[in-house]
Amino acid sequence: AQSVTQLDSQVPVFEEAPVELRCNYSSSVSVYLFWYVQYPNQGLQLLLKYLSGSTLVKSINGFEAEFNKSQTSFHLRKPSVHISDTAEYFCAATSGGSYIPTFGRGTSLIVHP
Amino acid sequence: EPEVTQTPSHQVTQMGQEVILRCVPISNHLYFYWYRQILGQKVEFLVSFYNNEISEKSEIFDDQFSVERPDGSNFTLKIRSTKLEDSAMYFCASSGQYTEAFFGQGTRLTVV
Repeated sequence: AQSVTQLDSQVPVFEEAPVELRCNYSSSVSVYLFWYVQYPNQGLQLLLKYLSGSTLVKSINGFEAEFNKSQTSFHLRKPSVHISDTAEYFCAATSGGSYIPTFGRGTSLIVHP
Repeated sequence: EPEVTQTPSHQVTQMGQEVILRCVPISNHLYFYWYRQILGQKVEFLVSFYNNEISEKSEIFDDQFSVERPDGSNFTLKIRSTKLEDSAMYFCASSGQYTEAFFGQGTRLTVV
């Protein structure tokens, strides 16, 4: 069974600084990887996904993540964060033909002015 | 853009009462899910539904829970006799073949 680990429960950062949110998964068999974002009092929105092809995937608001098979990681990065990026970020994965996403515990990104 | 809709957005119920949480998945999707998120904790998988039957469920999804797709559009989660620890945000999601899951905005269930 797939498991997803997000080691950082909270990441505080100043505005315009770079940030990396870490995600590791356990099973590499036919893995699909996702980052979801949850703004305060809202639902989960898909930020970006890796299904196949290029290992570097990007979102429309400047986030990117790289699928690293050797390190079983899918870390989320942004070179310069905004106050509006403050949210909870969830890494999720499916594998082995299962379509059911398994979620990590989430990382709370807190951007300070 | 198609979206998953959930009603109500907030439900308050007394302990021991039955509640039904409703969801309208995206119309051409095949797989349907319920997840829950207890305040401050991770998003936990409850159950998946495909081809009019439960395809997988977690240990959380005990006999108090049931799901139904009563017509071609709705997907419901019923909790038969609510407990205080059932208080959580409940998310419905749906997906097509080999696509990511799309989530609704959630229903906040408060058991008092």
